Amino acid sequence: DTGVSQNPRHKITKRGQNVTFRCDPISEHNRLYWYRQTLGQGPEFLTYFQNEAQLEKSRLLSDRFSAERPKGSFSTLEIQRTEQGDSAMYLCASSKELPPLHFGNGTRLTVT
Amino acid sequence: AQSVTQLDSQVPVFEEAPVELRCNYSSSVSVYLFWYVQYPNQGLQLLLKYLSGSTLVESINGFEAEFNKSQTSFHLRKPSVHISDTAEYFCAVSTSAGGYNKLIFGAGTRLAVHP
Repeated sequence: DTGVSQNPRHKITKRGQNVTFRCDPISEHNRLYWYRQTLGQGPEFLTYFQNEAQLEKSRLLSDRFSAERPKGSFSTLEIQRTEQGDSAMYLCASSKELPPLHFGNGTRLTVT
Repeated sequence: AQSVTQLDSQVPVFEEAPVELRCNYSSSVSVYLFWYVQYPNQGLQLLLKYLSGSTLVESINGFEAEFNKSQTSFHLRKPSVHISDTAEYFCAVSTSAGGYNKLIFGAGTRLAVHP
């Protein structure tokens, strides 16, 4: 069990640029989740996958956000045309069929 | 819709004193409940969980929480805190209505332990 791995740890980008984050879950976990956390707040659910199928998306996930898990293993989260309001910590988590979720250390995005 | 309320945003306490971090949830169906801890610039670590069975659950580092269905609460307690317990603590719920498919988190409580 090597834990959930997220890359990069930090990303600074200019407004309007596209960014992509990667998450590698724990190997035997078939569920993968993306959350967003802003300063002083709890994590907010964005989306989750069971294997390669994206089963639920939050209303927080605007059209500029897209997540994929093409082979049911790693996942990517892309944000197009970034805005300053997208600045946050993006957390990935994985689990077997049911909770608890195991979290990675997150990717901190700063949009200037 | 389910939600989680953590009643205190910050809790200052002296070392070796007892502490209680309060958590209430809203749900009319079966729930799983969790406490996570987050240290600066890190992800969330599972502290303890209630899935079923005994309503009192314990962690390996001295924390405990009690599921109270009538009060819809899952308060976290520790009889004697250490400086190293300083961190952000998050309560979370997962419900059968959602197929236990995700966790909904509270806003967090910052525990600050002073010498």
